[in-house]
Amino acid sequence: ELKVEQNPLFLSMQEGKNYTIYCNYSTTSDRLYWYRQDPGKSLESLFVLLSNGAVKQEGRLMASLDTKARLSTLHITAAVHDLSATYFCAVLNAGKSTFGDGTTLTVKP
Amino acid sequence: NAGVTQTPKFRVLKTGQSMTLLCAQDMNHEYMYWYRQDPGMGLRLIHYSVGEGTTAKGEVPDGYNVSRLKKQNFLLGLESAAPSQTSVYFCASSYSGPSGVYNEQFFGPGTRLTVL
Repeated sequence: ELKVEQNPLFLSMQEGKNYTIYCNYSTTSDRLYWYRQDPGKSLESLFVLLSNGAVKQEGRLMASLDTKARLSTLHITAAVHDLSATYFCAVLNAGKSTFGDGTTLTVKP
Repeated sequence: NAGVTQTPKFRVLKTGQSMTLLCAQDMNHEYMYWYRQDPGMGLRLIHYSVGEGTTAKGEVPDGYNVSRLKKQNFLLGLESAAPSQTSVYFCASSYSGPSGVYNEQFFGPGTRLTVL
């Protein structure tokens, strides 16, 4: 059974600081996704990572994938309040996605 | 394009009642999914469909049934609702599946269901 673990589950940051969210998974994967969810809203796709060593960046967020370590990271650079949300990683295996429990990020002034 | 839509947005049921949640997508996606999200947790897959007329069980299928009679619609049924089924239900759709290039999932706005 595929297990996906995110850490930390809760993260409080000050604006301007950097931090990394980690996503570990237990078996081989076809690909890995990062999503963002605002309170009471649906999920929005951020990144799709297809292969070992893949790195994608969008604004202050950068995602990477190490398939050998079964690890993906979501790095936040110079955080701003607008990044406050819950971030989920999801691992695709055999056509089905398994989600982590999410990391709730709060960025404070 | 409307993307993925869900009906209804909110619903309150009494234990033992039945209901059907409707998901519709206008992106001609082959794959469709039903998830539930409980407080403090990620999404758990209930059932999914790889194409019209086909369905498969996900991680937590018990107490739910699904049908995919048309490519654009995916229905989730609760035959006899229980309080444990109180949750937010999300529908999603994606490109062709594991052999597709990205298989990115597009999510609907969610249905908030309370079972008393």
